[in-house]
Order: sequence, then structure tokens, then C-alpha cells
Amino acid sequence: EIVLTQSPATLSLSPGERATLSCRASQSLSRYLAWYQQKPGQAPRLLIYDASTRATAVPARFSGSGSGTDFTLTISGLEPEDFAVYYCQQRSDWPLTFGGGTKVEIK
Amino acid sequence: QVTLRESGPAVVKPTQTLTLTCTFSGFSLTTGGMCVAWIRQPPGKAPEWLALINWDDDKYYSTSLKTRLTISKDTSKNQVFLTMTNMDPVDTATYYCTRTDYGEYWLDSWGQGTLVTVSS
Repeated sequence: EIVLTQSPATLSLSPGERATLSCRASQSLSRYLAWYQQKPGQAPRLLIYDASTRATAVPARFSGSGSGTDFTLTISGLEPEDFAVYYCQQRSDWPLTFGGGTKVEIK
Repeated sequence: QVTLRESGPAVVKPTQTLTLTCTFSGFSLTTGGMCVAWIRQPPGKAPEWLALINWDDDKYYSTSLKTRLTISKDTSKNQVFLTMTNMDPVDTATYYCTRTDYGEYWLDSWGQGTLVTVSS
């Protein structure tokens, strides 16, 4: 099973700042990685797939990069609605697996 | 517009079998490439993928839970079912059904989720 390790666990930032979230895989994923955003009481929402492709209606301030085992989600300027938990997910191999999450909180 | 809705018991007792239903609209599981997956998320923890079924009735299961899980579908009713046997308090979680595409497996549409508590 592919293990995804996200860091940091918590990121404390102010609105307008840049957020950089990391996801590291236990083996190469090529570019088969997605990012999800989850707000309290809501289901996760797909943000990025294939490492860098934004899903429908996702603002351009969200960008993804990386390949192989190291991936990054960048939020270029945090808006109030961006404070949430972010998860990565791989589909390179069965079973599908998720990372442990990074919480982006208001500083 | 794709919508999914989970239904099932809110509370089950230890050792019982859980059966959940996902009722969806906006797509058909008779269409080539369509898939439905079940995901669960314990309170305060990360999501965990459980099972997936595709239009061709192929089924995939979590490695650690496959002996306890069965996924099935009723295409005439636009429903997918998940049964999980021998429930334990550690299975307490919000259970989601999701839509995805064959070969892609990005979870682009989610239901609202249903909280299942395992308690005697």
C-alpha cells in the first residue's frame, strides 16, 4: 500500500500570505496525485488532479506541482474561505490512499 | 448535475452488519466509464477509501477491510450498496459515496455523508 505523508500537520498563516503544503509518497506516483479541500461539516472537495490540473471552478490561486514522490499544493494568497484542511490522494496503485492532512489555520 | 446521497442506520451495535445505500442522479452506472466509490472518515481523521464498483460490475476493495466489505449496485434504481460485517467501535465514521471515472479515480462528486456510530 502506498503511504502518503503530508507536512506540516498545521500551517498558521494570515490572509493574503502564501501557503505551501507538501505531500510525499512512499513510492513513485508519476503524476497520479490529487488534492482535496475540506471545511468543517462538509465533504472533501476536489481541487487539483494529475498533480497540477485544477478541477472545475477552482480559483487560479490554487496550484499543484511535483511528480514521482514529492508534490506541492500552493495557495498564492490566502482568502478567508481557504482556511480548511487539505488532503492528498493517490491513484497510482490499488488501494487508493489519502494523506493525513494539513490544516491551514488563521494566525 | 451530479448528486449523491447516503442513507442507512445512524447507530449499529458491535458485531452487527452495516448496510448503506447511495442514491445518485446526474449519471448512470450503465454508462461506460462510470464508477462509484465509498469513503469513510472517522471523526478528526483523514478519509479512507473502502470500495469501488464500476459500470461493468468490477469491484475493488480496501486491502485491510476486504474480508468485511461487499459493494453492489442496482442500476434500475441508480443505487449502490455497501455492506460491512462485524462492526466495531473503531468503525465509527462518516461514510461518503463518491462518483469517479474509470482509470482516473479522482473523486469529483461527493455525497453529504452519513455518520455511523458503533455502540452497544
